[in-house]
Amino acid sequence: GAVVSQHPSWVICKSGTSVKIECRSLDFQATTMFWYRQFPKQSLMLMATSNEGSKATYEQGVEKDKFLINHASLTLSTLTVTSAHPEDSSFYICSARESGEHTEAFFGQGTRLTVV
Amino acid sequence: GQNIDQPTEMTATEGAIVQINCTYQTSGFNGLFWYQQHAGEAPTFLSYNVLDGLEEKGRFSSFLSRSKGYSYLLLKELQMKDSASYLCAVLDSNYQLIWGAGTKLIIKP
Repeated sequence: GAVVSQHPSWVICKSGTSVKIECRSLDFQATTMFWYRQFPKQSLMLMATSNEGSKATYEQGVEKDKFLINHASLTLSTLTVTSAHPEDSSFYICSARESGEHTEAFFGQGTRLTVV
Repeated sequence: GQNIDQPTEMTATEGAIVQINCTYQTSGFNGLFWYQQHAGEAPTFLSYNVLDGLEEKGRFSSFLSRSKGYSYLLLKELQMKDSASYLCAVLDSNYQLIWGAGTKLIIKP
């Protein structure tokens, strides 16, 4: 199957700093990328959807100024957590899809963010 | 509103068969996915159904009935490594994935 590479796998940062997470589709063109976060023992929560070259669409309750998403190319999307706080500590997962009606979404490995 | 229901937790015995059900009510339907997620890891794709019927893939099979808003994932010859959460997700009319909360499957020897 197609490969989506997410980097870094884990990161620890200090409160107030910013962290960038990268999501790359290695062998297909990802016209749409999704960013999720998952708290322990809870389901995935969609944060935002981004289409290449367009502004991301954020889900209700997700601060777009805090979670900056860039999808500048068909193979790369980035999520930047700005001015991180301990409550932002979570597991962040990206997924990517090609264009087309019934294409599946492929997931990155996830990034575990710990803010201290 | 959009809603996907699946059992919170199930327990089964190694070597047995287990069926995990998923019912959904969504605005439009463009396919249903099943994913497996081990603790601390990202979900991995198991199956995709867009037409009614049964799709078999090795030990795993997935069934869909669009008229009933119902799907199930069938796992045969259970192995200990099958202990994981199984997530049902529906692609709605806007091609967004609507996720169920997941079913934690516990396999006992």
